[in-house]
Amino acid sequence: QKEVEQDPGPLSVPEGAIVSLNCTYSNSAFQYFMWYRQYSRKGPELLMYTYSSGNKEDGRFTAQVDKSSKYISLFIRDSQPSDSATYLCAMSATGGYNKLIFGAGTRLAVHP
Amino acid sequence: EAGVAQSPRYKIIEKRQSVAFWCNPISGHATLYWYQQILGQGPKLLIQFQNNGVVDDSQLPKDRFSAERLKGVDSTLKIQPAKLEDSAVYLCASSKALYRAENTEAFFGQGTRLTVV
Repeated sequence: QKEVEQDPGPLSVPEGAIVSLNCTYSNSAFQYFMWYRQYSRKGPELLMYTYSSGNKEDGRFTAQVDKSSKYISLFIRDSQPSDSATYLCAMSATGGYNKLIFGAGTRLAVHP
Repeated sequence: EAGVAQSPRYKIIEKRQSVAFWCNPISGHATLYWYQQILGQGPKLLIQFQNNGVVDDSQLPKDRFSAERLKGVDSTLKIQPAKLEDSAVYLCASSKALYRAENTEAFFGQGTRLTVV
């Protein structure tokens, strides 16, 4: 079993839709949860960062962490064609070397 | 603030040849990572440095891969000899330091796309 599981998609939605992206994990030591966005032929860029449980909102993006279920989500409201990219979840544990473990990434296409 | 610089952007080599990638992290970042990203997959950590010391290389194929970080700044990743399955994007990333929650964010370079034929 992988430490981080993420459905690779692809996910295709119309412009304006609400998008829900999810990851599950098995390591209860994970405390830091991140979402990275990766455009084609580019490196990943940090989108959202959450420590421990709870919600975090930034513009059209909301990140949720449910540690009891070992489940994290990223919601994108009013999705735009420019949101078309691969979304990677990443996690790391406390007390260690900040080793980032990534999910497989979900490809998202937002069509006009 | 300048980002993480990597070179070359693309490389095509024949199997059994050797290749080297270079990374210049963000100034002042103590932690440097090399990730391998195979098409359609998430990045897999190969090696992690804190300054010029290795803190994790558990997934580095040490019979063919090597990496160094001279003076705790630039880093090179080498493959010798290359295999077909090494075809991937090699990503370098850096972050400020270990053991600090606010320093966990890793910044990535654009990567080097390696094709082994």
